[in-house]
Amino acid sequence: AQSVTQLGSHVSVSEGALVLLRCNYSSSVPPYLFWYVQYPNQGLQLLLKYTTGATLVKGINGFEAEFKKSETSFHLTKPSAHMSDAAEYFCAVSDGQGGSEKLVFGKGTKLTVNP
Amino acid sequence: EAGVAQSPRYKIIEKRQSVAFWCNPISGHATLYWYQQILGQGPKLLIQFQNNGVVDDSQLPKDRFSAERLKGVDSTLKIQPAKLEDSAVYLCASSSYETGDYGYTFGSGTRLTVV
Repeated sequence: AQSVTQLGSHVSVSEGALVLLRCNYSSSVPPYLFWYVQYPNQGLQLLLKYTTGATLVKGINGFEAEFKKSETSFHLTKPSAHMSDAAEYFCAVSDGQGGSEKLVFGKGTKLTVNP
Repeated sequence: EAGVAQSPRYKIIEKRQSVAFWCNPISGHATLYWYQQILGQGPKLLIQFQNNGVVDDSQLPKDRFSAERLKGVDSTLKIQPAKLEDSAVYLCASSSYETGDYGYTFGSGTRLTVV
C-alpha cells in the first residue's frame, strides 16, 4: 500500500527566503507523485506532478520538485517565498498502474510567510 | 473548461440527521472521486467511480455513507445518520486518465459541521 509522509506540519519562512517542504513516499510500484496547494476554504490546486521522464519537475508559481528514487523523496522547493505562497501544501502518490489511480495524501504542511 | 462543481458549499446539521452532497465533474471525465478531509489531515478517499461503476469503496463507512453516480455523470454522496466525527470537508474530484494526462481536478468542497 502506498503512503506519504510530510515532515513538518508547519513551516515558517521569511519573504524572499527559500521554501523547502519535505515529502517521502512508500510505494511498491513506480510512483506517480503530486504536490497540491490549498488556500483557506478552497479546493486543491495542482502545483506539479511527476509521472515519468525528467526527475526535476517545474510547476506553477515558481515551484519545483525533484523525484529521488534512491531516497524515496519528492521535496518541493521555491527559491524566493512570496506572501501569496502562504497556504497548506499536500504531497500525494498514486500507483498510476491503471484501475487504481486513487491519490493517497500526506497530512499536509502549512506554510507561513513572514514579512 | 468549467471546473468540478459541488453543492452546497456549507452545511450544518444535528447528529443523527441525514445530509446529501452533489458533484458535477468535468465534462468527459469518466473517473470521479469523493474524498473526506478532516481538519488538520490530508484528504482520504471514500469512493472512486469509473463511469457509473464503483472501483474502490474500501474506506466508505457503508453503515451510514452511500454514494451513486447516475448515468456516469453527476454524483451524490449521502450520510445517514450523521455523527459528530463526520464533520469535515467533502471534496469531489474527476480525472482524465483516459487521455493519459494523469490530471485530477478538485471541486471547492462542501464543509459539513455536525453539532
